[in-house]
Amino acid sequence: GAVVSQHPSWVICKSGTSVKIECRSLDFQATTMFWYRQFPKQSLMLMATSNEGSKATYEQGVEKDKFLINHASLTLSTLTVTSAHPEDSSFYICSASVNTEAFFGQGTRLTVV
Amino acid sequence: AQSVSQHNHHVILSEAASLELGCNYSYGGTVNLFWYVQYPGQHLQLLLKYFSGDPLVKGIKGFEAEFIKSKFSFNLRKPSVQWSDTAEYFCAVNRVGNTGKLIFGQGTTLQVKP
Repeated sequence: GAVVSQHPSWVICKSGTSVKIECRSLDFQATTMFWYRQFPKQSLMLMATSNEGSKATYEQGVEKDKFLINHASLTLSTLTVTSAHPEDSSFYICSASVNTEAFFGQGTRLTVV
Repeated sequence: AQSVSQHNHHVILSEAASLELGCNYSYGGTVNLFWYVQYPGQHLQLLLKYFSGDPLVKGIKGFEAEFIKSKFSFNLRKPSVQWSDTAEYFCAVNRVGNTGKLIFGQGTTLQVKP
């Protein structure tokens, strides 16, 4: 199957700093990628749709200025959590689709202290 | 509003027991249905999917699911679980033609005792 890779797998940052998470499609091109957030013991919530070469589409309630998404190439989307706060601590997962199947990255555990 | 509801949050079974995890959805229009599994420390993996046709679909590792349109349900089953099936299971739906944008259920933690 197709491979989606996220980096880093985990990151700890101080309040007020920004953190960038990368999502790469390793063996296919993805014009669209998706970013999800998963709180402990809860489901994955779609945050935004990342579109190559254009602006991301954010789900209702997701602050676009807080969660900056850039999809500069067909194999890379980045999510930057700006001015992170402890409530942003979560598990962030990206995905991309090939034909009819979505493939997921391994996720990034963000802890803001 | 679109939503997916999984009935069981935490299930504990002994090996060889049968499994059924419930999933109901509320979504306007025609949908595709999925079950994903997340083993500890690993990526989400697709177990099976339903797009159209036979409402009984078979997936990997002996799992199957039945789509009952009248009940808006897509329950996951396995006749005999193994210890290696211990994982988190997610039901998900999306609108036909929009494969990537998934709405997930809350997830069910399955613990299989050896």
